[in-house]
Formats: sequence, structure tokens, C-alpha cells
Amino acid sequence: NAGVMQNPRHLVRRRGQEARLRCSPMKGHSHVYWYRQLPEEGLKFMVYLQKENIIDESGMPKERFSAEFPKEGPSILRIQQVVRGDSAAYFCASSPKGGYSPLHFGNGTRLTVT
Amino acid sequence: GQQLNQSPQSMFIQEGEDVSMNCTSSSIFNTWLWYKQDPGEGPVLLIALYKAGELTSNGRLTAQFGITRKDSFLNISASIPSDVGIYFCAGGDDKIIFGKGTRLHILP
Repeated sequence: NAGVMQNPRHLVRRRGQEARLRCSPMKGHSHVYWYRQLPEEGLKFMVYLQKENIIDESGMPKERFSAEFPKEGPSILRIQQVVRGDSAAYFCASSPKGGYSPLHFGNGTRLTVT
Repeated sequence: GQQLNQSPQSMFIQEGEDVSMNCTSSSIFNTWLWYKQDPGEGPVLLIALYKAGELTSNGRLTAQFGITRKDSFLNISASIPSDVGIYFCAGGDDKIIFGKGTRLHILP
């Protein structure tokens, strides 16, 4: 039973390029969360999605960041015109029922902006 | 907004010692979760708590959901080298937020 799959594991982008991070939830899970982690820090909530719906995006920066979870295919976190401050580990988690059910995490995508 | 205060930030202990860490929130939570993260990996769920006062064990780990629903603690008994890592508390409802972690070090 595959866990949460994130790819790529490492992504290097130059300033101004776009970064696309993918997350395939666990089988049977229809709720996806994205978190960002800086070195020596905790995980900061970014966005919570169900299939085709954004439920809570209160942690997303207002510009350059977007997320989707289409009916078919993985969830995508997209960062346009990346800047050095976007360098971080981005973790995706999924759950079967949303609130009140525990989150299962992938191993993250480490984004480095040069 | 909601905040989680996790303490201590780091712990240095001898192998075999018991460990205790806790988390407090600025608001009431309906779910408390405890995770462990190893370097280069995602957090792994240790214990999930859903009821105020609930006490749950997972092997040498025990966690409790505080009566006020604003706090939780995690205990690890008889620590072993593989317990080294970062422990995160997390809580909330639909949106789950995380504490900043407790870094556990075991002295040789």
C-alpha cells in the first residue's frame, strides 16, 4: 500500500523560474494538505484541498503561489517567479476524511532557488 | 491566529531515561497529534488523540489530550538511541497546525 508520494525529491530553480511540486495522496484519501518547512523550524500550514476544491488557503502567500487538486491526477503546488526566500522543504500530507483524521506525510520536495 | 507552543525546544538525555514534552495552544482543539521526523524524511504519526482527557499509548510512548482541550503531552519511557529525532505536536480541526518541535538528543 503506497504511502503519500511526492516528486521530485529535490528541485533546483533559478530566480524567476517556475517550480511545480507534485503530490499523489494515499489510495482512498481525498484530502490533501501542503506544508512548508524551513531548516530548524516546524511545519507551516499552507493550504488544504479536497478534490477540485480549495477548503482553506489561509497559509498561502497572496502572490506567486497556487495549489490545485484536480479530479484526476496528483495535487500540484505551483510557485511562479521563484525567489531565494522560497527555498525550503515542502511537504504534502493526505487524509481520508479531513478534519479529525490524522495526516499521513510524504517525504517532501526540497526546493533550492539559486 | 492559532498558535502552538511546544516545549522544551531541545533535550539532551542519557539512554534509558524517560522523556516528557508538552504543547499548549491559544485556542481549543478537537484533535491532537504527535509526530516524529527523522532527517530528510517526512513526519511520521506516533499518536492521535480525539477526546479531552484521552490517554493513549503506543509502545513506550504515551500521550494525553488535556482536559481543557488546549494542551497535550507526550512521554517516552526508557529512551533508546533510535528515539533521537524531532518530535512535533499538531492540533486543530480541518486545518492542522504544528508546533516548532522538540529536538531529542541522546548522550553517549
